[in-house]
Amino acid sequence: ELKVEQNPLFLSMQEGKNYTIYCNYSTTSDRLYWYRQDPGKSLESLFVLLSNGAVKQEGRLMASLDTKARLSTLHITAAVHDLSATYFCAVDNVGGGADGLTFGKGTHLIIQP
Amino acid sequence: ETGVTQSPTHLIKTRGQQVTLRCSSQSGHNTVSWYQQALGQGPQFIFQYYREEENGRGNFPPRFSGLQFPNYSSELNVNALELDDSALYLCASSLGRNNEQFFGPGTRLTVL
Repeated sequence: ELKVEQNPLFLSMQEGKNYTIYCNYSTTSDRLYWYRQDPGKSLESLFVLLSNGAVKQEGRLMASLDTKARLSTLHITAAVHDLSATYFCAVDNVGGGADGLTFGKGTHLIIQP
Repeated sequence: ETGVTQSPTHLIKTRGQQVTLRCSSQSGHNTVSWYQQALGQGPQFIFQYYREEENGRGNFPPRFSGLQFPNYSSELNVNALELDDSALYLCASSLGRNNEQFFGPGTRLTVL
C-alpha cells in the first residue's frame, strides 16, 4: 500500500524567512504533484514533477523530486503572507491497481507579518 | 475551455438517507476521479471512471457507487449515509487514466 508522509504538518513562520516542506512516499512512482488548498476551497495545482531530478519554480515556491530517495521538497523563499494555506503532496499510484492519487495529510502553513 | 464543475455546492442530509453528487468534467477529458476529504485530512481516493466504466477503487464500501455518462460527466452515489460521511467531496477530471487531474470546487456534505 502506497503511503505518503509530509512534514511538518503545521508550520508557523515569519514573512521573509525560508523554509522547506518534505514529502516522503513508500513505493516507486515517477509522478508527484503539489497542491495548495485555501480554507473551504478546492485544490489548486502548483507543480507536476514527472521524473527523477525534476525541479520546478514558480515565484517564491520551488519543488524538486528525487525518485531514488522517494522524496520531494517544496521550498519557500522569502515567505509572504499570501502563501498562507495548506499544501499537499500527492503521488500517482501508477500500476498499483487503484489508479488514484495518494495524498499526504497536508502541511498547514501560517505566515505571520 | 470550461473547467470541472460540481453540484450542489453544499448539502445537508440525515443518517440513513441517500445522496447523489454530480460532476462535469473539463472539456475534452474522458476520465473522472472522486475523492473524499474529511476535515483536516488529505483527500482519499474513492474511485475512478474511464469511458463509462469503473477503472479503479480505493478503500471505500460498496454503498459508495458511481456512474459515468457518454458525455463523461459523472455521479457519486452514497447510500445509507453515516455521520462519518460528512466531508468535502472532490471530483477531478483528466485526459486519460494516468494524466494530471484537475479538481472541481467540491461539494460539502454534512450528515446529521
